[in-house]
Amino acid sequence: ETGVTQSPTHLIKTRGQQVTLRCSSQSGHNTVSWYQQALGQGPQFIFQYYREEENGRGNFPPRFSGLQFPNYSSELNVNALELDDSALYLCASSLEVSPEPYEQYFGPGTRLTVT
Amino acid sequence: QKEVEQNSGPLSVPEGAIASLNCTYSDRVSQSFFWYRQYSGKSPELIMSIYSNGDKEDGRFTAQLNKASQYVSLLIRDSQPSDSATYLCAVKEGRRALTFGSGTRLQVQP
Repeated sequence: ETGVTQSPTHLIKTRGQQVTLRCSSQSGHNTVSWYQQALGQGPQFIFQYYREEENGRGNFPPRFSGLQFPNYSSELNVNALELDDSALYLCASSLEVSPEPYEQYFGPGTRLTVT
Repeated sequence: QKEVEQNSGPLSVPEGAIASLNCTYSDRVSQSFFWYRQYSGKSPELIMSIYSNGDKEDGRFTAQLNKASQYVSLLIRDSQPSDSATYLCAVKEGRRALTFGSGTRLQVQP
């Protein structure tokens, strides 16, 4: 167990709807990263939050947005859902203290199905 | 465009053998390297990290890094059926996000 939790575990939505996924980071960690993992692929980076500010973004459209709260928990919001958004959404937490690289620990993920 | 390449497999080894998993990366500024294990339907689990050239051992696992060749590998000694999973290689530059390969599926035959 990594101490990273995500909710919900599974979710089914209809194309065009909006969804919010939630993540609680491991105690003491200040950075949350979100990844999308399609079937048979490695996780793809969506964005990262460090101390409540977006700290990097992958190649995802603006309808993917997020927040990080003062307790370092985080939300991923996806608007105007498309069929291709069906995937496992992973949250990873880490303690990022420059310049050292730190390990990221994943939560159990949220399986999103868009019909 | 950063790329991390892995053979998709499946890599099949008999129980008790050494499994060797390989990964190459394209970005020379990558500083840290990770191996994650992912069972079907589950999230990735960190099993090894390596930052310096050479070998790093942890129990049955050994990670090997060669920055000049842009190559990182994972050896699993005394492979067990419970090691059957997909192994993901990931690289990181500083505080940036992880870039993953697509994974190698390992099958350990009893």
